[in-house]
Amino acid sequence: DAKTTQPPSMDCAEGRAANLPCNHSTISGNEYVYWYRQIHSQGPQYIIHGLKNNETNEMASLIITEDRKSSTLILPHATLRDTAVYYCIVRVAKEYGNKLVFGAGTILRVKS
Amino acid sequence: EAGVTQFPSHSVIEKGQTVTLRCDPISGHDNLYWYRRVMGKEIKFLLHFVKESKQDESGMPNNRFLAERTGGTYSTLKVQPAELEDSGVYFCASSHTPDRLQETQYFGPGTRLLVL
Repeated sequence: DAKTTQPPSMDCAEGRAANLPCNHSTISGNEYVYWYRQIHSQGPQYIIHGLKNNETNEMASLIITEDRKSSTLILPHATLRDTAVYYCIVRVAKEYGNKLVFGAGTILRVKS
Repeated sequence: EAGVTQFPSHSVIEKGQTVTLRCDPISGHDNLYWYRRVMGKEIKFLLHFVKESKQDESGMPNNRFLAERTGGTYSTLKVQPAELEDSGVYFCASSHTPDRLQETQYFGPGTRLLVL
């Protein structure tokens, strides 16, 4: 699975959009981009995933560049409860599932 | 729908003792994964079951760790004998793959293991 690079930390004002970048320059055509987050003392939580088109769900939006070498997770109106470690993970789809390879992630601090 | 559950939530044992962690996946999920985070490190994959079969156990650290999933439902992870470096948080995740390209893993809250 391709390696990802994320900034170690970011701050965001409550109510503003949080834009979390991720570089995955070695991504290959059959690899998906997944985003998870871990709120303190909880298990990782799935947020969103995509292949090449932009995706949106009730939690966030995922913007993937046309060359697929980078992506941005957008939390449109960050709240204090969005303070967490956010992980960008690239993985190949396999018939019987595939492990997630976690990096250090980005610590997002939402401040009032 | 109930999520992934893990038991116990915390465990404190002495070096050399045995501990068994349990994971109940979401009903109907064939895939079950174990991960762990040791102090100061990143979350690491341990192994993956498809139903009752071990699909990938490349992340198991050594033969002191034994995972089972009898009947393809819940899973146990036994550490025997436990060592100090086994301390950490052990996560379980489950998924199903109706479309293999769209697998999403759902995690449990984890078991916090402290070996003294």
